[in-house]
Amino acid sequence: GAGVSQSPSNKVTEKGKDVELRCDPISGHTALYWYRQSLGQGLEFLIYFQGNSAPDKSGLPSDRFSAERTGGSVSTLTIQRTQQEDSAVYLCASSLVWNSNQPQHFGDGTRLSIL
Amino acid sequence: GESVGLHLPTLSVQEGDNSIINCAYSNSASDYFIWYKQESGKGPQFIIDIRSNMDKRQGQRVTVLLNKTVKHLSLQIAATQPGDSAVYFCAETGGTSYGKLTFGQGTILTVHP
Repeated sequence: GAGVSQSPSNKVTEKGKDVELRCDPISGHTALYWYRQSLGQGLEFLIYFQGNSAPDKSGLPSDRFSAERTGGSVSTLTIQRTQQEDSAVYLCASSLVWNSNQPQHFGDGTRLSIL
Repeated sequence: GESVGLHLPTLSVQEGDNSIINCAYSNSASDYFIWYKQESGKGPQFIIDIRSNMDKRQGQRVTVLLNKTVKHLSLQIAATQPGDSAVYFCAETGGTSYGKLTFGQGTILTVHP
């Protein structure tokens, strides 16, 4: 079956612009997660969604970052007024449910470069 | 300011050798642990997981060992192959952090033919 799909795979934009990153989870997975991977910070958690529950946004680095999950499936991560420090690979993962006994499966990420 | 990248530990082995990659975790409340393999330009790929009620779990050519006393996790790869060359991450979750994986810094494994 298809894995987690992310688009675009690469995005280059100018500082100050807004960007939207998309994630299609594995079919049937109710939990969806966003992480960020950068050279200086490693892999860090941003936000997760479980079904129709309120998302856990505790990892979002600033109010310029937001995420939505429509219809319990596709998710978009939006970064407003991008800064150079936002340059990173943004990874999406999904799992069957949110509890700690289910592995998270990752997409290949969106490589974001802010000029 | 200057950007400083992470300096990852490295492990270099010959094809056919066994490899052991180690990871220390920090949260004593963590009860679920995962090993991931990441190749260049790809996302982390699930290898094997283990729950805190176990101290060993085996998969195909891989074994994970968990020592909760010293908060240590290891991944053993038998008969390492060039295709095993990648960055390996351990990840933990549990306690009040359900759903949030905390990743280790990663180890670069290089397998020489």
